[in-house]
Amino acid sequence: DIQMTQSPSSVSASVGDRVTITCRASQGISGWLAWYQQKPGQAPKLLIYETSRLQNGVPLRFSGSESGTDFTLTISGLLPEDFAVYYCQQVNSFPWTFGQGTRVEIK
Amino acid sequence: EVQLVESGGGLVKPGGSLRLSCVASGFTFRSYSMSWVRQAPGKGLEWASYISSSSRYNYYGDSVKGRFTISRDNAKNSLFLEMNSLRAEDSAVYYCARGHFDSSGTFDFWGQGTLVTVSS
Repeated sequence: DIQMTQSPSSVSASVGDRVTITCRASQGISGWLAWYQQKPGQAPKLLIYETSRLQNGVPLRFSGSESGTDFTLTISGLLPEDFAVYYCQQVNSFPWTFGQGTRVEIK
Repeated sequence: EVQLVESGGGLVKPGGSLRLSCVASGFTFRSYSMSWVRQAPGKGLEWASYISSSSRYNYYGDSVKGRFTISRDNAKNSLFLEMNSLRAEDSAVYYCARGHFDSSGTFDFWGQGTLVTVSS
């Protein structure tokens, strides 16, 4: 199975900050990576798929990139509604696997 | 508007069975693959099972393989998960999720989930 390792597990940031979350795959996944946002008591919401493609309706302050087996979600200019848990997911091969999550907290 | 509404969760004893349902609306259900994703209380996300649009293919996570069965009824816009030999570690919120048209393992719409609790 492909292991997805997210870092950091949590980050404290202020409104307006730039936040970067990294996800490392245990083997190559050919860019088949998605990012989700989950707020308390809610279902996850798709933000980015295929490494860098923004899902319809997702603000442009969210972006994704790749460097080998390392994938990055960047939030440029944090807004109050962005405080949540973020998960990466590889969809290259079964079983599809998620990272353990990164909590973005208010500083 | 795309909607996915799960039902069927509840309290069940270890070794028991439960059948989850998910009714879809707002899109052409028969054209999309579907999956079940679960989340134990306070924990992360775990993909559990996938079914292709025509039911031709299905796959399972290692932790549920041999115990859970995914199925769908395209005429009724419904997805199901039959869960047998339930264990305490199966306790979770179970989400029904639609596969993205360009990437079936990416989930572009999710239901609100149904809670399954396995306890004696």
